[in-house]
Amino acid sequence: NAGVTQTPKFQVLKTGQSMTLQCAQDMNHNSMYWYRQDPGMGLRLIYYSASEGTTDKGEVPNGYNVSRLNKREFSLRLESAAPSQTSVYFCASSEGTLAEAFFGQGTRLTVV
Amino acid sequence: DQQVKQNSPSLSVQEGRISILNCDYTNSMFDYFLWYKKYPAEGPTFLISISSIKDKNEDGRFTVFLNKSAKHLSLHIVPSQPGDSAVYFCAASRAQKLVFGQGTRLTINP
Repeated sequence: NAGVTQTPKFQVLKTGQSMTLQCAQDMNHNSMYWYRQDPGMGLRLIYYSASEGTTDKGEVPNGYNVSRLNKREFSLRLESAAPSQTSVYFCASSEGTLAEAFFGQGTRLTVV
Repeated sequence: DQQVKQNSPSLSVQEGRISILNCDYTNSMFDYFLWYKKYPAEGPTFLISISSIKDKNEDGRFTVFLNKSAKHLSLHIVPSQPGDSAVYFCAASRAQKLVFGQGTRLTINP
């Protein structure tokens, strides 16, 4: 019962470095999401993918890119990391819009 | 523009009593509402949901109430248990987007 798997769990980057956060789900869900969680801000949507081959911006997309590689995988890329991107990142998937989303364990990213 | 708001950052309740968590939203086009529970160092987990065409949904100790005219929903936990101590997020869905509130930290005291 893997559900939604995110890698890595922790990462420290220097300002200007790039990295990709990986996410995979084994529930055959169509929709996948990337959120960031910051203190006092709740979970904010970065990007989402309603189906394989489609991606759309969420609330806070600046500084990020995504790739829906196939139905299972949805990656988030930081091309040039900034300290403002220090956060906990969550990937999620759901069957559709009127269904609950299942979340991964999160990636704690620190940019110094 | 915070479309979903949880105005209480924290709530403390005695074990066995009722916990009531509140959430307000501004967009009347939301069609589905959900509550998630989050423990430290874990991802949020789904708790209970309600469609915009209903005003109440119950699942064991958890009941969600929706007041569309007031654009308000609440989560009632009865009776509260120590394992309920967590951060609770309300969320609203529209057009394939799930928008979350800021969260309320619930602490159940023995």
